[in-house]
This record gives sequence, structure tokens and C-alpha cells, in this order.
Amino acid sequence: AQKVTQAQTEISVVEKEDVTLDCVYETRDTTYYLFWYKQPPSGELVFLIRRNSFDEQNEISGRYSWNFQKSTSSFNFTITASQVVDSAVYFCALLPGGTSYGKLTFGQGTILTVHP
Amino acid sequence: ETGVTQSPTHLIKTRGQQVTLRCSSQSGHNTVSWYQQALGQGPQFIFQYYREEENGRGNFPPRFSGLQFPNYSSELNVNALELDDSALYLCASSQGMAGGNLSPLHFGNGTRLTVT
Repeated sequence: AQKVTQAQTEISVVEKEDVTLDCVYETRDTTYYLFWYKQPPSGELVFLIRRNSFDEQNEISGRYSWNFQKSTSSFNFTITASQVVDSAVYFCALLPGGTSYGKLTFGQGTILTVHP
Repeated sequence: ETGVTQSPTHLIKTRGQQVTLRCSSQSGHNTVSWYQQALGQGPQFIFQYYREEENGRGNFPPRFSGLQFPNYSSELNVNALELDDSALYLCASSQGMAGGNLSPLHFGNGTRLTVT
């Protein structure tokens, strides 16, 4: 069985602070994919990143960075110099390898509020 | 490129009634997945359709059913509505099945269903 845990239910920061969202996953598969999605108040899930289990390189994209560590089954997401527009619910998700692409297992989400 | 569109945006139904939700997939996508997102929770996989056939199902009872049409649009039908069916229903489309190097899932804005 697959499981994704986002222990932080809500995080509140002031603009320009850095913030890290934690994600821990469980799977017995040796090949899998991890995702982060952002859900603004409008409701749609916006894709942020996908990582393969065999690629542990950290990644930076603008103010976003991701730290993937298989040894601790974690895939954390950091926003540097947060902005009010970053306020949203963020979801971490897992897809076992060889599984139909639509069958993501999501965590419960972290509500991020960035205050001006 | 047209994104994923869902209709209606909001819906209010009474317990015991039946409901049909609709989804138009993104242009070029032949796979549609449906998710249920209860308030404060992460999305949960309901089922997926590929080339008009159901391909995979989550832990949902048979009163949740679906269809995919030749143009790859899809419907989600829920019979004998229960209060716990109140949720945001999200549709996502993708091209193909495997999770390798394909484009990520593209989600619609969802249909907010309230059962009273």
C-alpha cells in the first residue's frame, strides 16, 4: 500500500521568509514517482514538479527547490523569499512505477498562508 | 490548447438522488481520472478511463460509475447520494498510461457537490 504523510497541517509566514513543506512517503515499490501540486482557492491542482525514484538530485526552479532523500523517504519542498501569491494548499503525491498515470496517492495537504 | 473543463461548477443535491458530473479532457489527452476531495483532505482516486474502458479503480462503491466517450470526454455518475459524498470532484487528463516521461496530469477546477 502507498501512503503519503504531510505532517504540517498549516503554516503561516510573513512575506520574504523561507518556508519548507515536509513530505514523507511509504511504498514497497523500487520504482516510483513523486509529485508536488499547488491548489489555489480556485480549486484546480497545479503541477509543480515530478521526480523519479532513481534520480535523487535536488532541484531548484526559481524560488522553489526540492530535496529528495530516499534514505529517509522524504521529498521536501522549499519556497525561498515567500510571496503572498504563494498562499495555497500544497499537496505531495506518489505514483508507483508501472501504474497507470492517473492513480496518484495524495497527502492531506499543507495550507500555506503568506502574510504581507 | 484547451485545458480540462468541468461542469457544473457547483451542484446541490438531496440524499438519495443521482448526479452526473462532466469533464472535457485537454486536447490530445486520451486518459481521464476522477478524484474526490473532501473538505480539508487530499484528493482520493476514484477511477480512470483509457480509450473508453475503465482502467483501475480506487476504494469507492459501485454506485460511483463513469463513462468515457470517443472524444475522450468523461462523466462521473453517483447514485443514491449520501451526505458523505459532499466534496470537490476533480477530473484530470493525461496522454497515455505509464508514468515514465509523459506530461503530468492536468486538472480541472472541479465540481463542488453538496448533498443535503
